[in-house]
Amino acid sequence: QSALTQPHSVSGSPGQSVTLSCTGTRSDVGGYNYVSWYQQYPGKAPKLMIFDVSKRPSGVPDRFSGSKSGNTASLTISGLQLEDEAAYYCCSYAGSYSWVFGGGTKLTVL
Amino acid sequence: QITLKEPGPTLVKPTQTLTLTCTFSGFSLSSIGVGVGWIRQHPEKALEWLAVIYWNDDKRYSPSLKSRLTITKDTSKNQVVLTMTDMDPVDTATYFCARIMITYGGVLRLDAFDVWGQGTMVTVSS
Repeated sequence: QSALTQPHSVSGSPGQSVTLSCTGTRSDVGGYNYVSWYQQYPGKAPKLMIFDVSKRPSGVPDRFSGSKSGNTASLTISGLQLEDEAAYYCCSYAGSYSWVFGGGTKLTVL
Repeated sequence: QITLKEPGPTLVKPTQTLTLTCTFSGFSLSSIGVGVGWIRQHPEKALEWLAVIYWNDDKRYSPSLKSRLTITKDTSKNQVVLTMTDMDPVDTATYFCARIMITYGGVLRLDAFDVWGQGTMVTVSS
């Protein structure tokens, strides 16, 4: 069970769209539709942004959307805002009621 | 309101055993599909899933740390306890507990860690 692979950093300008990727294997991302995404500000606890690949909890702006193709899940943030600058982590079910996180992506809003 | 809370900062010596208690409110760990997990984060590093215990007392551990971890629950006290043996300075990290609700018995749930504690800093040093 290895950590999911995420790009170390991504950047974008306000108003633009950015897509963060999360690559796993058929044993996790590719095998189940249980991918979630978390936003984390420095010194704070993670916040759930997307669950079950593409669903948003109440209160999360619809600028945040998720998708999956094969072993890679993606988080797209449209209409980028300064407040979106944070670290983003993906997480996937890995079978046998266990879980695995990604290495995280630092999003910079220029 | 659903809350989870870890204890205050902890200092342990190398080779000692760490015991962390997560105290939660606003939900029951006896409800079908509900679990509480532990996740840690090394300074400036990624989240790492450690363990989870479910309503039915099913326990799952990270394969890389399984030999050192034990997770238990006290449903009456709304607490989940994680113990980690043989602590090493590399285990210095912030430890979070979080609720998870999984799809089970045909009932769809979030299948994600939806509510987190604020985290507690654990330092391993002699």
